[in-house]
Amino acid sequence: QKEVEQDPGPLSVPEGAIVSLNCTYSNSAFQYFMWYRQYSRKGPELLMYTYSSGNKEDGRFTAQVDKSSKYISLFIRDSQPSDSATYLCATTSSYKLIFGSGTRLLVRP
Amino acid sequence: DAGVIQSPRHEVTEMGQEVTLRCKPISGHDYLFWYRQTMMRGLELLIYFNNNVPIDDSGMPEDRFSAKMPNASFSTLKIQPSEPRDSAVYFCASSAPWQGSPNTGELFFGEGSRLTVL
Repeated sequence: QKEVEQDPGPLSVPEGAIVSLNCTYSNSAFQYFMWYRQYSRKGPELLMYTYSSGNKEDGRFTAQVDKSSKYISLFIRDSQPSDSATYLCATTSSYKLIFGSGTRLLVRP
Repeated sequence: DAGVIQSPRHEVTEMGQEVTLRCKPISGHDYLFWYRQTMMRGLELLIYFNNNVPIDDSGMPEDRFSAKMPNASFSTLKIQPSEPRDSAVYFCASSAPWQGSPNTGELFFGEGSRLTVL
């Protein structure tokens, strides 16, 4: 079993839609959770991070962690074509980041 | 700062050849990571360094892979001999020191080196 599981998609939505991206993880010791965004032919870049359970909001983006179910979510409101990218969830084990395989998102104009 | 710089951006080589990928981390960052990304396996950590010292190389697939960090501003990942299954995008990433807490996960990635082994 992979430590972090993520549906690869692709997920195609119309502009303005609310997008929900999800991951599950296996190790209850994980405490830091991140979402990285990767545009085509670029390296991933940090979008948001949260510590332990709860929500964190940044503009149109909301990250949510439910430690009881080992579930990580990223919500994008009013999605834009510029949000089209691959979104990778990640968590830490000591100093190592463990990534999900990424979900490819396409926002259609 | 120019960010993490990787070279070459693209490499096409034949099976059996030696491949060397290079990375210049962001100045002041004391952690350096090498990742490999494929469609099948996603983003996998190969090895990471702290203050130029390899800390965890458990992700290095086999002895054909080796990584060095001779100084704080340069690292190499070498594959010898290369095989078609090594074809992937190899990313280097660096992160800043963190005082008194575990790494919060802000890695700064380069643009990757796309390797094709024929």
